[in-house]
Amino acid sequence: EAQVTQNPRYLITVTGKKLTVTCSQNMNHEYMSWYRQDPGLGLRQIYYSMNVEVTDKGDVPEGYKVSRKEKRNFPLILESPSPNQTSLYFCASSLSYGNTIYFGEGSWLTVV
Amino acid sequence: GQQLNQSPQSMFIQEGEDVSMNCTSSSIFNTWLWYKQDPGEGPVLLIALYKAGELTSNGRLTAQFGITRKDSFLNISASIPSDVGIYFCAGQDTGANNLFFGTGTRLTVIP
Repeated sequence: EAQVTQNPRYLITVTGKKLTVTCSQNMNHEYMSWYRQDPGLGLRQIYYSMNVEVTDKGDVPEGYKVSRKEKRNFPLILESPSPNQTSLYFCASSLSYGNTIYFGEGSWLTVV
Repeated sequence: GQQLNQSPQSMFIQEGEDVSMNCTSSSIFNTWLWYKQDPGEGPVLLIALYKAGELTSNGRLTAQFGITRKDSFLNISASIPSDVGIYFCAGQDTGANNLFFGTGTRLTVIP
């Protein structure tokens, strides 16, 4: 089954404690991206990757890092999380940019 | 980032009624997309529009790509309870590498 898998789905953490949200897709997609969803703001893009070893900033990259060492994985790293990063995060992938985007189920992150 | 204004923000309708929502942008897009998000799930693509003036249907859903390329409309006919969810518009410019989302329309269908 074609899918985008994120982990963890739910996490409560403390300010400053580094965390990583993993994202994996099994569709051999080139394009992957991360979004955060906040009430009244819709989905905003954090980072995206056009292919392995190619990453670029989206609209709201501050406080986040990503890496794309292999095609299937695109982890989102919060080096020093802060409460304003409390949000619902979605990973997404598509065959290439411009094709149908498939979203993961989301990761609820709370930073206290 | 580019601003996409989506309206209405929320709707409460009776089962069987038709629904209309729209999305406007300050910039021109080459592609307009409409997604639906069910509770606890990621957004799922409903309709994609690639040409100004294009009108596309998917079952009870009909979407249009505005002539100005700065707006799009989604209509749902004869709503049913499973239409409940949040609907997002999204604009894509083939010259850039971003997909910009609207703020969403939360739809509640009352049986």
